[in-house]
Amino acid sequence: EVQLVQSGAEVKKPGESLKISCKGSGYSFTSYWIGWVRQMPGKGLEWMGIIYPGDSDTRYSPSFQGQVTISADKSISTAYLQWSSLKASDTAMYYCARQSYDRAFDIWGQGTMVTVSS
Amino acid sequence: DIQMTQSPSTLSASVGDRVTITCRASQSISSWLAWYQQKPGKAPKLLIYKASSLESGVPSRFSGSGSGTEFTLTISSLQPDDFATYYCQQYNSFGTFGQGTKVEIK
Repeated sequence: EVQLVQSGAEVKKPGESLKISCKGSGYSFTSYWIGWVRQMPGKGLEWMGIIYPGDSDTRYSPSFQGQVTISADKSISTAYLQWSSLKASDTAMYYCARQSYDRAFDIWGQGTMVTVSS
Repeated sequence: DIQMTQSPSTLSASVGDRVTITCRASQSISSWLAWYQQKPGKAPKLLIYKASSLESGVPSRFSGSGSGTEFTLTISSLQPDDFATYYCQQYNSFGTFGQGTKVEIK
């Protein structure tokens, strides 16, 4: 079964760092892009960025460039989203999703809820 | 940046109704447009890709059309399971989502 499994919910304080993960299985992890999508409480979907694990080519939305870092370890079929200094406004659900060439985001992870509060 | 404008933001409809949601791109995206359905507490689900291609397993009452800058998602006969929020997404240049359309029970 093709699936993406994300790490569990996190509760952090402002200024702390965080790295969440997204592990792919059931397909060739290095042959598809993996994207990250933010959904703030009660709000819509926001495209953050995308990585190609085969060569680590990474693209960011201008809105998220410099705010987060996307990476991947192809040896363990895992993509990451990380923050160096969290803000309360980073509180959101974060989804990873597989992008095939023409089928957009066809497989989604279950989401990781990140709560940043003092 | 390509902007996506989706309308309406909320739609009230009854079971059996024909429902249409519109998505407009700020510049041409050819047919690189997808539609997703999201239910509360769940990840989005791909319904339509390349503007009009039905994802495997998605009921045929869902259809998509359009190219360039104007796109529509149509549900031919609304079913109880279809009450959800729908998003369009362009993937011609990076990716941008529309603001979403919540389909509510009338």
